[in-house]
Amino acid sequence: EPEVTQTPSHQVTQMGQEVILRCVPISNHLYFYWYRQILGQKVEFLVSFYNNEISEKSEIFDDQFSVERPDGSNFTLKIRSTKLEDSAMYFCASSIPTGVGYTFGSGTRLTVV
Amino acid sequence: AQKVTQAQTEISVVEKEDVTLDCVYETRDTTYYLFWYKQPPSGELVFLIRRNSFDEQNEISGRYSWNFQKSTSSFNFTITASQVVDSAVYFCALSEDNQAGTALIFGKGTTLSVSS
Repeated sequence: EPEVTQTPSHQVTQMGQEVILRCVPISNHLYFYWYRQILGQKVEFLVSFYNNEISEKSEIFDDQFSVERPDGSNFTLKIRSTKLEDSAMYFCASSIPTGVGYTFGSGTRLTVV
Repeated sequence: AQKVTQAQTEISVVEKEDVTLDCVYETRDTTYYLFWYKQPPSGELVFLIRRNSFDEQNEISGRYSWNFQKSTSSFNFTITASQVVDSAVYFCALSEDNQAGTALIFGKGTTLSVSS
């Protein structure tokens, strides 16, 4: 069964450093997403991406965050200058139309120290 | 605005008990999708079911069943004869039918603990 692949599974970074989280969505999916889950809390939407541009973003997705699809397969989330409160599990997801075939990756646990 | 409420924060049951996880949603759209995800201790999000707003048929999959009632805006999830492996956090989620990549709105989750 097709999967959304995320790397790395766990990343530790120093506060203030830039970090890039990587995702390979399912190949025939057109919509890409990033979600965040702070430990013990609910899963929160960050951003959706379609046709090489952001289609929707939440209040969490401020100027520190950016997304990119640098080639035909990868979808990345960059955090420019990490803060302690950015420590969370970050999930990538992809879908055909919204609500149909929505698949999450297994997540990247980001720890900012 | 969309909202998903999972009022039960934690539920503890003994193996073989049946357990129902409640989910109440709010949306102004007539077309939407509802989801349940399981998050085991390993942390990944495991898809369980998707239901669109026009399909109110209840669904059964093995020990799992779902009761969708538009009249009460609820999409409850029942596990029959629970097992220790069912221990996880369960999330209910809602999505509008929007072709431009609309977000999934998650509830806060219900932590289910099944003891032997």
